[in-house]
Amino acid sequence: EAGVVQSPRYKIIEKKQPVAFWCNPISGHNTLYWYLQNLGQGPELLIRYENEEAVDDSQLPKDRFSAERLKGVDSTLKIQPAELGDSAVYLCASSLDAGGSFNEQFFGPGTRLTVL
Amino acid sequence: AQKITQTQPGMFVQEKEAVTLDCTYDTSDQSYGLFWYKQPSSGEMIFLIYQGSYDEQNATEGRYSLNFQKARKSANLVISASQLGDSAMYFCAMREGRILTGGGNKLTFGTGTQLKVEL
Repeated sequence: EAGVVQSPRYKIIEKKQPVAFWCNPISGHNTLYWYLQNLGQGPELLIRYENEEAVDDSQLPKDRFSAERLKGVDSTLKIQPAELGDSAVYLCASSLDAGGSFNEQFFGPGTRLTVL
Repeated sequence: AQKITQTQPGMFVQEKEAVTLDCTYDTSDQSYGLFWYKQPSSGEMIFLIYQGSYDEQNATEGRYSLNFQKARKSANLVISASQLGDSAMYFCAMREGRILTGGGNKLTFGTGTQLKVEL
């Protein structure tokens, strides 16, 4: 079974440029998460989707960040324009949420963004 | 207040020895879950072990066990017989609320403990 796929793995851009990250969750997983991980810190949730609906985006900086999950499968996270402080690792995760289980989240390898 | 506290930024352990990674948590929910993840230098978060707040037995998964002390709000990870491949960053995380409410799937992570296994 394929895991969570993310691309690109690394991205270097100049500040004020736009950038987009793509995530393909594990097949059949209805819940998808985007996390931000700063250096030396644990991941912090940016947005959570249940199918195609964003059910928790309270931590997403909506002035520059946007996300979509069309058809409830793949998802894209965009930053426009990027700032120096956006340099971090962006992790995507998915879970099955079958109810009654502990709903393990499976993580992708992340996209490491460097803003110059 | 921090919801998940990991007070050990770094730990060293000799190969084949056991090591305990500390985690304390803060929640007012009666139903919650505690997770440990391993993050090697490749960056991927790998799930290790889970403990539900109503589970009476401490969770075990192979060489990993979770020392759950509910009254003290601690959920320490014990790795037995350490191996060189255990060298990584370890994160404790908590899910608050009941899964079925839908809002209970958010994980809050600690700041992590960097474990180094030495020969």
